[in-house]
Amino acid sequence: SQKIEQNSEALNIQEGKTATLTCNYTNYSPAYLQWYRQDPGRGPVFLLLIRENEKEKRKERLKVTFDTTLKQSLFHITASQPADSATYLCSSKNQAGTALIFGKGTTLSVSS
Amino acid sequence: EAGVAQSPRYKIIEKRQSVAFWCNPISGHATLYWYQQILGQGPKLLIQFQNNGVVDDSQLPKDRFSAERLKGVDSTLKIQPAKLEDSAVYLCASSPLGTANEKLFFGSGTQLSVL
Repeated sequence: SQKIEQNSEALNIQEGKTATLTCNYTNYSPAYLQWYRQDPGRGPVFLLLIRENEKEKRKERLKVTFDTTLKQSLFHITASQPADSATYLCSSKNQAGTALIFGKGTTLSVSS
Repeated sequence: EAGVAQSPRYKIIEKRQSVAFWCNPISGHATLYWYQQILGQGPKLLIQFQNNGVVDDSQLPKDRFSAERLKGVDSTLKIQPAKLEDSAVYLCASSPLGTANEKLFFGSGTQLSVL
């Protein structure tokens, strides 16, 4: 069955460094991947969508890549700040194409 | 623009009791989703509505969970009877109809504790 895996449960980095989060997918070929941010006690908030024919997408300090050969998406936050501390979720449409499925998320902690 | 509204924010019940959650999506959003998020996990889809019709309820435990969206606007998710393993955050999300708008807008969720 299709899977989205975010292998790192937690990532701790220092302020100013670049955070890199990984999302791998298996047993299917998604047309796009989405990244969401979730703060404690809140619902996920959409950040970026990247389609299979796009190698890279940027939004301010965020960059997402999509490698269909490696079946992987990388999510980068440059010049990280303590306010970037949150859980980041990778998602894509399910095989039926009806709804989003999510990885477990990676919790990022940025220390000052 | 008002976001997705959910209530209550927290609910504590004993096992075998029943509970209901309410969701009001963003105005004009045709599609509504209920997700279950267990601590440390990503959200898992329970049911998806398009207007007042069910699109996908394949992962809804239908022996105890039910959901409705009678007028194609707000929705209710019910659990009866609740089990300990139902302790989770129940998230409602909505999206406009159409492939150009795949992103979901989530509410803050209802945190359910079953004792």
